Amino acid sequence: GAVVSQHPSWVICKSGTSVKIECRSLDFQATTMFWYRQFPKQSLMLMATSNEGSKATYEQGVEKDKFLINHASLTLSTLTVTSAHPEDSSFYICSANSGTGVVDTQYFGPGTRLTVL
Amino acid sequence: QKEVEQNSGPLSVPEGAIASLNCTYSDRGSQSFFWYRQYSGKSPELIMSIYSNGDKEDGRFTAQLNKASQYVSLLIRDSQPSDSATYLCAVTLQGAQKLVFGQGTRLTINP
Repeated sequence: GAVVSQHPSWVICKSGTSVKIECRSLDFQATTMFWYRQFPKQSLMLMATSNEGSKATYEQGVEKDKFLINHASLTLSTLTVTSAHPEDSSFYICSANSGTGVVDTQYFGPGTRLTVL
Repeated sequence: QKEVEQNSGPLSVPEGAIASLNCTYSDRGSQSFFWYRQYSGKSPELIMSIYSNGDKEDGRFTAQLNKASQYVSLLIRDSQPSDSATYLCAVTLQGAQKLVFGQGTRLTINP
């Protein structure tokens, strides 16, 4: 199956600092990647859709100036949480579309656990 | 009405029995349907995908789709304790790439 990696797997930062999370598709090219956030005991919440070479599409209620997304290549998308605050502490997961057939399938990275002190 | 609905559980099934997980969706134009398994503290892992009406089997897993009833299910045969996890139903809405997830069903297999 398609493999997606994320780095770092966990990060602890101080309030007010910025954190960058990388998402890579290792064995396929992904024109579209997705960023999700998951709070404890809740389902995944889509934050934004990232298309290679164009601006990301953010879901309603997600601050695009706070969560900066860059999809510079077909295998890499980055999410930067700017001026992080404790309420941004969450499990951030990316996924990438593997367009191997008629319908694209999303494969998920292992996630990044962010703790903001 | 939520776009994708699942019973949050918890659902408890004895080891060796069949676990049945259900999901309904509201958009009749939905095209693709997925079941993901998520262990606590981990990211979702794709279990099955199904696109047309009927059954699709893969090992101990069977996905069933009924577009007329807007219903998709996942059966797990010979349930094992390692199957204990949260199962997420996800649907691709018509004309969209993004997935819409249900809230997940927590499944516990009792030895």
